[in-house]
Amino acid sequence: EDQVTQSPEALRLQEGESSSLNCSYTVSGLRGLFWYRQDPGKGPEFLFTLYSAGEEKEKERLKATLTKKESFLHITAPKPEDSATYLCAGTQGGSEKLVFGKGTKLTVNP
Amino acid sequence: GAVVSQHPSRVICKSGTSVKIECRSLDFQATTMFWYRQFPKQSLMLMATSNEGSKATYEQGVEKDKFLINHASLTLSTLTVTSAHPEDSSFYICSAAALPGYGYTFGSGTRLTVV
Repeated sequence: EDQVTQSPEALRLQEGESSSLNCSYTVSGLRGLFWYRQDPGKGPEFLFTLYSAGEEKEKERLKATLTKKESFLHITAPKPEDSATYLCAGTQGGSEKLVFGKGTKLTVNP
Repeated sequence: GAVVSQHPSRVICKSGTSVKIECRSLDFQATTMFWYRQFPKQSLMLMATSNEGSKATYEQGVEKDKFLINHASLTLSTLTVTSAHPEDSSFYICSAAALPGYGYTFGSGTRLTVV
């Protein structure tokens, strides 16, 4: 069964304290690995798509990396406005369905 | 670009009534749209895949007759929750792909409360 597992479930950081979120997957024939940000009561907001091991993408304080078995979302010098739930999802070759992990709730304290 | 609009954002309905939720792709055509539901503090669970001009494909355990999906045009899909009950209360979210497999844009979600 295709699975996407995120850790930790929740993470509290002080402003400026860098850290990483993990997403491990067992999606056979992974076609794309997606990262989204979700604020309370809102739909997910697209951050990154990664397609092959070794690929990296950056956007402001966020950097996403991908290996053959997992992906990391690195947050450098986070700010309180980075507080949100970060979701990881994968698609399988031949399918358009997104399989989501349960998310990591990030809280950045000022 | 790639904006998905979802309405309404919140709806309260009485038990036994039906509620329609709209999902529109504003600046692109979407042959496929997806409907999810999300319970508090849980992740998104795919309910069904909506294909323009054909019947929707439902995930295992999702009642086709309760959750009616219509994808009549390349920019509009609707989800109708029929004979709603309190256990149908949830956060419903739609998404669409401008290009299949390459980035999915989500709507802002609809909070359904059945009283």
